[in-house]
Amino acid sequence: NAGVTQTPKFRILKIGQSMTLQCTQDMNHNYMYWYRQDPGMGLKLIYYSVGAGITDKGEVPNGYNVSRSTTEDFPLRLELAAPSQTSVYFCASSPRAGGRYEQYFGPGTRLTVT
Amino acid sequence: RKEVEQDPGPFNVPEGATVAFNCTYSNSASQSFFWYRQDCRKEPKLLMSVYSSGNEDGRFTAQLNRASQYISLLIRDSKLSDSATYLCVVILNTNAGKSTFGDGTTLTVKP
Repeated sequence: NAGVTQTPKFRILKIGQSMTLQCTQDMNHNYMYWYRQDPGMGLKLIYYSVGAGITDKGEVPNGYNVSRSTTEDFPLRLELAAPSQTSVYFCASSPRAGGRYEQYFGPGTRLTVT
Repeated sequence: RKEVEQDPGPFNVPEGATVAFNCTYSNSASQSFFWYRQDCRKEPKLLMSVYSSGNEDGRFTAQLNRASQYISLLIRDSKLSDSATYLCVVILNTNAGKSTFGDGTTLTVKP
């Protein structure tokens, strides 16, 4: 049981490039989330999904896109990378069922845009 | 005003000390509460859930005060390995997008 996995671990992008951050969970959780965490700051919600085919914006969605074609996968797409998107990106999943609302996080992707 | 507020610290305590953190929240409809631990440059990890009746896990005790809208975490007999940032999380169960994380309280336990 791997939990939540994320790839890549590190990435350096040039301004204007695009990339996809991958996230996979094997816990059969319906709910999945993408957060960013800037140095010394708290987590900010970018997008979330309540199940396959359903996504919604969080607090800071601009410059990002997501899709959810399967329960397991929730990729985050960065289009036209900007230095302001330099951050650590965490994916999380949650059962949100049976009274269980806790979130489980992946190890993160450290992205630098120069 | 932030929806969830924590004293950022840092809290610097000697080994063996007892330390307590508080976290206040503004939405009285919040229903689920958690404490997470985050080590430097790592992902947040679930430490414990917080229940109205209070709950204990070894040296850690969590309490919820709905009337005053705060949760607390008490760490007894602090260890060097307890050094980390502690995040409180407040959830509105009826809204999948409303899991609000505090910015964290940093604890350093010194020998």
